[in-house]
Amino acid sequence: GDSVTQMEGPVTLSEEAFLTINCTYTATGYPSLFWYVQYPGEGLQLLLKATKADDKGSNKGFEATYRKETTSFHLEKGSVQVSDSAVYFCALGRVSGSARQLTFGSGTQLTVLP
Amino acid sequence: EAGVAQSPRYKIIEKRQSVAFWCNPISGHATLYWYQQILGQGPKLLIQFQNNGVVDDSQLPKDRFSAERLKGVDSTLKIQPAKLEDSAVYLCASSRYPNAGTGGGSELFFGEGSRLTVL
Repeated sequence: GDSVTQMEGPVTLSEEAFLTINCTYTATGYPSLFWYVQYPGEGLQLLLKATKADDKGSNKGFEATYRKETTSFHLEKGSVQVSDSAVYFCALGRVSGSARQLTFGSGTQLTVLP
Repeated sequence: EAGVAQSPRYKIIEKRQSVAFWCNPISGHATLYWYQQILGQGPKLLIQFQNNGVVDDSQLPKDRFSAERLKGVDSTLKIQPAKLEDSAVYLCASSRYPNAGTGGGSELFFGEGSRLTVL
């Protein structure tokens, strides 16, 4: 079955540092890939997505590229801010019949210090 | 527009008691999902509704969990009787189309969740 593996946290960085959160997946076919973010006290929000190989998703300075050859979708940001402190979830999505299935990784807690 | 509303935000019960969670999706969203998020893990889908019909409940522990979506709008998730391992955050999400998030439909929106502690 589908699975998503994320780098374990927590990750602590200083403001303006470079961020990478690794995500790899196991799946057959051509799923879509997502990064969701959960800020303290808020619900999960879609951060970015990519629907096919070599697509790059980007939003709020974050980027991730769908690499089919390495089955990866690593999240990167060149200069993090304190406001980026949150839990980040990598997810894989596919459609099965009329049902849409979203498989999440375990999440990575990011703390950015001023 | 208003987001996905869930209640209660927090609930503490003893094992073998029952509990119910309520979700009101974004207006016009036909598809509603319930996820279970255990501490330290990613959300796991429990059940998906399309309007008031069940599309996928393959991961719902049907001996103790039940869910309904009357009139294709609000939904209720019930646990009876609760076990210690049911302690988790129960997330409700909605989307306009059933294939949301796969590139062929609209985004999936999550509520803030209902945190259940079973003692």
